[in-house]
Amino acid sequence: EAQVTQNPRYLITVTGKKLTVTCSQNMNHEYMSWYRQDPGLGLRQIYYSMNVEVTDKGDVPEGYKVSRKEKRNFPLILESPSPNQTSLYFCASCLTGGINEQFFGPGTRLTVL
Amino acid sequence: QKEVEQNSGPLSVPEGAIASLNCTYSDRGSQSFFWYRQYSGKSPELIMFIYSNGDKEDGRFTAQLNKASQYVSLLIRDSQPSDSATYLCAVRPWMDSSYKLIFGSGTRLLVRP
Repeated sequence: EAQVTQNPRYLITVTGKKLTVTCSQNMNHEYMSWYRQDPGLGLRQIYYSMNVEVTDKGDVPEGYKVSRKEKRNFPLILESPSPNQTSLYFCASCLTGGINEQFFGPGTRLTVL
Repeated sequence: QKEVEQNSGPLSVPEGAIASLNCTYSDRGSQSFFWYRQYSGKSPELIMFIYSNGDKEDGRFTAQLNKASQYVSLLIRDSQPSDSATYLCAVRPWMDSSYKLIFGSGTRLLVRP
């Protein structure tokens, strides 16, 4: 089944404790992206990657890191989480070219205390 | 700042009625427009995309684009309770090679049985 997976789905952590949210897709998509979704603000792009070893900042990159060592994986790293990073996070992927329909993962609900 | 604006709703319609969802965008050069549906606690899923001025129909859904007025709308005919969800409008900015989508904050639709 073609899909984007994320882990964990739910996470409660404390300020300053490093964490990684994994994202993996099995559709051989070149493009992958991370979004956060907050009430009233919609989905905002954090980072994106056009292909392996190519990453760039989105609209709200502060406090986040990413890496793209393999085509299928695009982990999101919070080196020192803070309460303002409490949010619902989505990973998405698509082929480059064409209509660029982005397929979303199931989401990760993160709470930073 | 590129923006996509939607009325947050809720938009309440009776079962069988036509639901009309609207979206305006500020980047006059935007080229691609997407409607995503998001059920509570779930990830966004693409319903339709439109590139050209005019109407595009897919089953009970019709997307309408008016670039001169900078708005895009989604009509849902014969609305069903299962259509109750938040509908996200997304726009791909002009001359953006990053495949970034700018999302509105969504309109919540409630279809009353």
